[in-house]
Amino acid sequence: DGGITQSPKYLFRKEGQNVTLSCEQNLNHDAMYWYRQDPGQGLRLIYYSQIVNDFQKGDIAEGYSVSREKKESFPLTVTSAQKNPTAFYLCASTASWASGGVETQYFGPGTRLLVL
Amino acid sequence: AQKVTQAQTEISVVEKEDVTLDCVYETRDTTYYLFWYKQPPSGELVFLIRRNSFDEQNEISGRYSWNFQKSTSSFNFTITASQVVDSAVYFCALSGKKLVFGKGMKLTVNP
Repeated sequence: DGGITQSPKYLFRKEGQNVTLSCEQNLNHDAMYWYRQDPGQGLRLIYYSQIVNDFQKGDIAEGYSVSREKKESFPLTVTSAQKNPTAFYLCASTASWASGGVETQYFGPGTRLLVL
Repeated sequence: AQKVTQAQTEISVVEKEDVTLDCVYETRDTTYYLFWYKQPPSGELVFLIRRNSFDEQNEISGRYSWNFQKSTSSFNFTITASQVVDSAVYFCALSGKKLVFGKGMKLTVNP
């Protein structure tokens, strides 16, 4: 089955710790995205990657970092600089990069990050 | 700047009722796309529909239908004969420099 997987489902972070959220897709999509969702809020874009070895900051990139070394993988690291990391994180992908978000984005099941 | 407004934050209905979810958008683009996504309690966003600005035909898919009206900048979503499985948060989204989401509307369908 083609799709997007995210792991873990739940992640706990201690004060001052960096944690990495995994996102893998087997859809052969070029572009991948990370969003943050807070209760009662829409999705906010953290980072996106149009193609392998390239990525761009979204609206709320501070305190986060990403890499895109393989087409199918786009891990997100929540660094200790992110002071309010508790949220639901969603990864998405599109077949190709089309500026303006015109392509349909397909989402993974999400990771819920909680701070201890 | 692009903006999506979902004025209703929560709706609760009884099974078999029809329910309409409103979506109003703002954009200066002449070509744009609108989307609806469903987010069940499990959390994953499920794609429902994508509509481009040149296609104002209403669309029906089973119990779901969408009414796109450029004149009022609205893209409303109706669920006919709602079922408990329709309980979810529904997001409307608009293409722009990036995909812009509304804040979502929580639908609860009670048996």
